[in-house]
Amino acid sequence: SQTIHQWPATLVQPVGSPLSLECTVEGTSNPNLYWYRQAAGRGLQLLFYSVGIGQISSEVPQNLSASRPQDRQFILSSKKLLLSDSGFYLCAWRGQPSSEAFFGQGTRLTVV
Amino acid sequence: GQQVMQIPQYQHVQEGEDFTTYCNSSTTLSNIQWYKQRPGGHPVFLIQLVKSGEVKKQKRLTFQFGEAKKNSSLHITATQTTDVGTYFCAGPDSNYQLIWGAGTKLIIKP
Repeated sequence: SQTIHQWPATLVQPVGSPLSLECTVEGTSNPNLYWYRQAAGRGLQLLFYSVGIGQISSEVPQNLSASRPQDRQFILSSKKLLLSDSGFYLCAWRGQPSSEAFFGQGTRLTVV
Repeated sequence: GQQVMQIPQYQHVQEGEDFTTYCNSSTTLSNIQWYKQRPGGHPVFLIQLVKSGEVKKQKRLTFQFGEAKKNSSLHITATQTTDVGTYFCAGPDSNYQLIWGAGTKLIIKP
């Protein structure tokens, strides 16, 4: 069966520090991969999605970047975190264009 | 661009009362999906509706897809504490990427 792993679960980082969040999917090949951010009590904001290795689409210009070095690995990065980068970051995958999304457990990032 | 509007943002109910959330899309959808996010958790897929006028039930949850495939609703009968969370709808755009509603938070009054 397919599983999605996302880590770490929580992270506290100082302003100006770098960020790297990793997401891996098992049990499927060539998934569509997504990074979302969710502010407290708010909806899902799509940050990046990828339909294949090295293919990244950015939905919102910001302080973050994403990479997909392997088929089932999706990484969210920042060179210098801002206070406004705090939030709940969720990785997700979809197998087919019409299929549902499966989410990782999420990373709760607090920038201090 | 394509939008999916979801109302209300919050709904406070007494345990045992019913709950309904509504989604409206600016364009016709090929399908609509519903998710539940428990407090502190991640969204979990509940169901997908594909056909015009489709109605599906999962125990106390009833999902409807409008005839024009532009609106949908989720109705929970006799809410329980286990129903607490935020319910999201989502529909694909022309590139098959999901457009999400803002979610409706179900709060059970103490």
